[in-house]
Amino acid sequence: DIQMTQSPSTLSASVGDRVTITCRASQTISSWLAWYQQKPGKAPNLLIYKASNLESGVPSRFSGSGSGTEFTLTISSLQPDDFATYYCQQYNSYTYTFGQGTKLEIK
Amino acid sequence: QVQLVQSGTEVKKPGSSVKVSCKASGGTFSNYSINWVRQAPGQGLEWMGEIIPMFGTPNYAQKFQGRVTIIADEFTSIAYMELSSLRSEDTAVYYCARGGRNGAYFDYWGQGTLVTVSS
Repeated sequence: DIQMTQSPSTLSASVGDRVTITCRASQTISSWLAWYQQKPGKAPNLLIYKASNLESGVPSRFSGSGSGTEFTLTISSLQPDDFATYYCQQYNSYTYTFGQGTKLEIK
Repeated sequence: QVQLVQSGTEVKKPGSSVKVSCKASGGTFSNYSINWVRQAPGQGLEWMGEIIPMFGTPNYAQKFQGRVTIIADEFTSIAYMELSSLRSEDTAVYYCARGGRNGAYFDYWGQGTLVTVSS
């Protein structure tokens, strides 16, 4: 299976900050990568698909980039609603795998 | 608007089985994959398997092969996930999620079903 590794595992930031989360794949996955946001007690919410495509209804402060094995999710200016856990997910192979998650905390 | 509504909380004994349902509404059921993803308490997301209702052939994660069964009923727009030989490590919230139009990302999710395995 393709392993997905996110960094950092925890990130402390303030409202208005620009933050970046990295996701690395154990082998190339082209651009077959999605990003999700999850809040406690809720289902994940799709933010980005195919590495850089913003899902409908997702604020434009979220952006994704990368291809091959290295990907990033950037939030341009953190809002209070953005403090949550973020997951990447690859769908290059017929077995889909998630990163371990990055918890974004208020500094 | 697409909605996925799952069945309720389950408490099971070790060694037993659980069957969770996921009813879809507001969209085309047959053409999109329905996936099952679980999340143990305080842990990350783990994909278990998928099915495209119009084809009916499931695709399972190797970890769950032999223990999981995923089916879909096109007439009722309900998908089911059955997990057998339950053990305490299977305690988790189980989500169904719809595959996207252009790939196996998950654009709509059910609300989750808590399955607790305890003697």
